Amino acid sequence: QVQLVQSGAEVKKPGASVKVSCKASGYTFTSYYIHWVRQAPGQGLEWMGIIRPSGGSPNYAQRFQGRVTMTSDTSTSTVYMELRTLRSDDTAVYYCARAERVYNWGQGTLVTVSS
Amino acid sequence: NFVLTQPHSVSESPGKTVTISCTRSSGSIASNYVQWYQQRPGSAPTTVIYEHNQRPSGVPDRFSGSIDTSSNSASLTISGVNTEDEADYCCQSYDTNNHVVFGGGTKLTVL
Repeated sequence: QVQLVQSGAEVKKPGASVKVSCKASGYTFTSYYIHWVRQAPGQGLEWMGIIRPSGGSPNYAQRFQGRVTMTSDTSTSTVYMELRTLRSDDTAVYYCARAERVYNWGQGTLVTVSS
Repeated sequence: NFVLTQPHSVSESPGKTVTISCTRSSGSIASNYVQWYQQRPGSAPTTVIYEHNQRPSGVPDRFSGSIDTSSNSASLTISGVNTEDEADYCCQSYDTNNHVVFGGGTKLTVL
């Protein structure tokens, strides 16, 4: 079955970077785009961008342009999301999701930004 | 770009029918598919409706989705609501650049 398994929780200081991974299994990795979505504590879902694992330029939400990089490694069926210059309001659960008619979601990765 | 507006919260008694709205601020609600997600505390979202009114396998037929072009809104209706349905519900669509747009989410309380 389709599975997206994300890396574990992270604690970072303001100004640092974080890189979250999302390992896919159960389907042809290069056939489906992957979204990244985050959710701050007590808040709604926020779309960050989308990447095509087979190649091509990712498409980022405007508010993250210049601060986020999404990459993929076809040899390990893994996509990555790196967010730089972290601020306290980047504290959130970060999700990857396979772009299908019915999305498949990773379990989420809590990133805490605190001094 | 457009905004999807949902009520912050709704409540209903067990066994009743509840409807959650999702209003698109500009552009036609019919121009891009609407999805609905259910999210329980501490869990990832799961799809209850996709492509306006399609139900994934495993989702009870108590859940239904629709769109209304006159009000430019989508709706999620849950009939025979029970305590298991208590969760946050979020609508989602796409803009002209295929960027994902989420509604703010609605907390459903079953009293």
